[in-house]
Amino acid sequence: DTGVSQDPRHKITKRGQNVTFRCDPISEHNRLYWYRQTLGQGPEFLTYFQNEAQLEKSRLLSDRFSAERPKGSFSTLEIQRTEQGDSAMYLCASRTDGGRSYGYTFGSGTRLTVV
Amino acid sequence: SQQGEEDPQALSIQEGENATMNCSYKTSINNLQWYRQNSGRGLVHLILIRSNEREKHSGRLRVTLDTSKKSSSLLITASRAADTASYFCATDRNSGNTPLVFGKGTRLSVIA
Repeated sequence: DTGVSQDPRHKITKRGQNVTFRCDPISEHNRLYWYRQTLGQGPEFLTYFQNEAQLEKSRLLSDRFSAERPKGSFSTLEIQRTEQGDSAMYLCASRTDGGRSYGYTFGSGTRLTVV
Repeated sequence: SQQGEEDPQALSIQEGENATMNCSYKTSINNLQWYRQNSGRGLVHLILIRSNEREKHSGRLRVTLDTSKKSSSLLITASRAADTASYFCATDRNSGNTPLVFGKGTRLSVIA
């Protein structure tokens, strides 16, 4: 494992289209997090999974957003009917459960531009 | 919402100088973490300090935590041009059982 992988790195889409992003966490990490980051701001929490269970969703996650982690491994984040305000960097992070290290390992992110 | 507020928002120093960034937060925490982000990239975990610790060191990094003031500072000594990045504090309220809440970050520029 070389870290958390996100695909694609960049996505340009027209307003109203659907987009899907993928995140492959470090294999032994059972917790997976999605964050959104806009220019000049810190990451804002969207949702997180423990194995395949989605444990928490932010109020930022409107009904146009859905996330899955079907087998407790990779995760997808889908945005339906994209809006210009969805333009941001979408970051995925993972960490192991338990132990004394609570630090997250982040992927390089998917930069979404809605035109 | 973002709990942490870093100060200053931007900092520019000469190579070799020390850089100090501060973070204030609002609610009680279990631990506080600092992350670094190079432009357009993901975040990298730097250091974690627990609520019962007051100071921690890692290489050129020194972190302090004052829970009575709900504040933390990150000191980078003998800065290098490669330290140029954004630095974020993140708070953990419940030992990893709730997601980290990040501040808005400090943009550090180290001039060679």
